[in-house]
Amino acid sequence: DVKVTQSSRYLVKRTGEKVFLECVQDMDHENMFWYRQDPGLGLRLIYFSYDVKMKEKGDIPEGYSVSREKKERFSLILESASTNQTSMYLCASSRTGGFYNEQFFGPGTRLTVL
Amino acid sequence: QQQVKQSPQSLIVQKGGISIINCAYENTAFDYFPWYQQFPGKGPALLIAIRPDVSEKKEGRFTISFNKSAKQFSLHIMDSQPGDSATYFCAARGDYKLSFGAGTTVTVRA
Repeated sequence: DVKVTQSSRYLVKRTGEKVFLECVQDMDHENMFWYRQDPGLGLRLIYFSYDVKMKEKGDIPEGYSVSREKKERFSLILESASTNQTSMYLCASSRTGGFYNEQFFGPGTRLTVL
Repeated sequence: QQQVKQSPQSLIVQKGGISIINCAYENTAFDYFPWYQQFPGKGPALLIAIRPDVSEKKEGRFTISFNKSAKQFSLHIMDSQPGDSATYFCAARGDYKLSFGAGTTVTVRA
């Protein structure tokens, strides 16, 4: 079974803090994604990566950055957390090639910024 | 702006009933339309998916109906069970990225 793990289930940070969210997948997938999930808005793509050290902006990249130094690990960084970044953050991974390329999701990190 | 519009936001159905969730899109370049199911405290998981050259796909009690000309697709859950209570997201793929609908919370009453 594909497993995508996220470093924390719940996180509480202060405004202005630097926040790191970590994601690890164990299926040698090429692609990794970070989404945020908000009620009434569904899942919105923040950043994705299709290879080590490669990254592409998604629909809402402002206020976020990412790092992918190893194939299995994809980090989301909030340089200076703000209250409007309080959300559920979901990491996903998928394989390249083929048509369907199912995305497998982690359990999410609920981040609260006070 | 949301590229995939999903309705309703929530629905309640009796056990054994049919749940219907609708989605609409504008981008004709979308080439793949998956549905994800999410239980509380879990990440979304792929439930069923369809290609735009197919009008219907059925897997067990779950059916996707796809209307390419209307740019609409829907999920039907037949014989709904309490275990189907979850949030359902439609999605559409373009440029290898998924755009998700806002989600529908389905509650099945026993």
